[in-house]
Amino acid sequence: KAGVTQTPRYLIKTRGQQVTLSCSPISGHRSVSWYQQTPGQGLQFLFEYFSETQRNKGNFPGRFSGRQFSNSRSEMNVSTLELGDSALYLCASSSLTGGVTDTQYFGPGTRLTVL
Amino acid sequence: KQEVTQIPAALSVPEGENLVLNCSFTDSAIYNLQWFRQDPGKGLTSLLLIQSSQREQTSGRLNASLDKSSGRSTLYIAASQPGDSATYLCAVGAGNTPLVFGKGTRLSVIA
Repeated sequence: KAGVTQTPRYLIKTRGQQVTLSCSPISGHRSVSWYQQTPGQGLQFLFEYFSETQRNKGNFPGRFSGRQFSNSRSEMNVSTLELGDSALYLCASSSLTGGVTDTQYFGPGTRLTVL
Repeated sequence: KQEVTQIPAALSVPEGENLVLNCSFTDSAIYNLQWFRQDPGKGLTSLLLIQSSQREQTSGRLNASLDKSSGRSTLYIAASQPGDSATYLCAVGAGNTPLVFGKGTRLSVIA
């Protein structure tokens, strides 16, 4: 069974630009979560999608948005990039049992550098 | 608000030593607790998942325990090897809310 894939793996942007990251979950998983990881803040939850609906949202500004498609693939978008958005963005997929998230499986991440 | 703390932040041990990593959480109303491993610049690999009704889980040389009432979990690694060098993160799940992660313990196993 293929794991979680994320594209692109590395990205360099300049301040003010926007970026779109993509995540393909494990086949059969309908829940996709996004996290931002920085050395100072650690792993912080961005949002979770299940069946094309946002199920949970973290405490990030509106410049961060996401969506999920009918095939469970997900994208996140960051507009008006700031230097502080430089981070490793991780996607995780899981199945849900009774509305509860099961084990999360993480992709390799997208390393975003904002210059 | 759930807070997860991992102590120590970094640990260096000689090869072959048994070691314990600690994780504490402030709200005992959890659904499960998960331990992950992260290699530098890579994603997270799930190691063990403990449901709130369980006391421990084992996988190979790894054993994770959970004491919900005291808000603590430990990850025991037996006979450590240089390949165990990585950052270990614990994360607490409350069911239908996002996982809350600790900041991790960076482990170095010296040959």
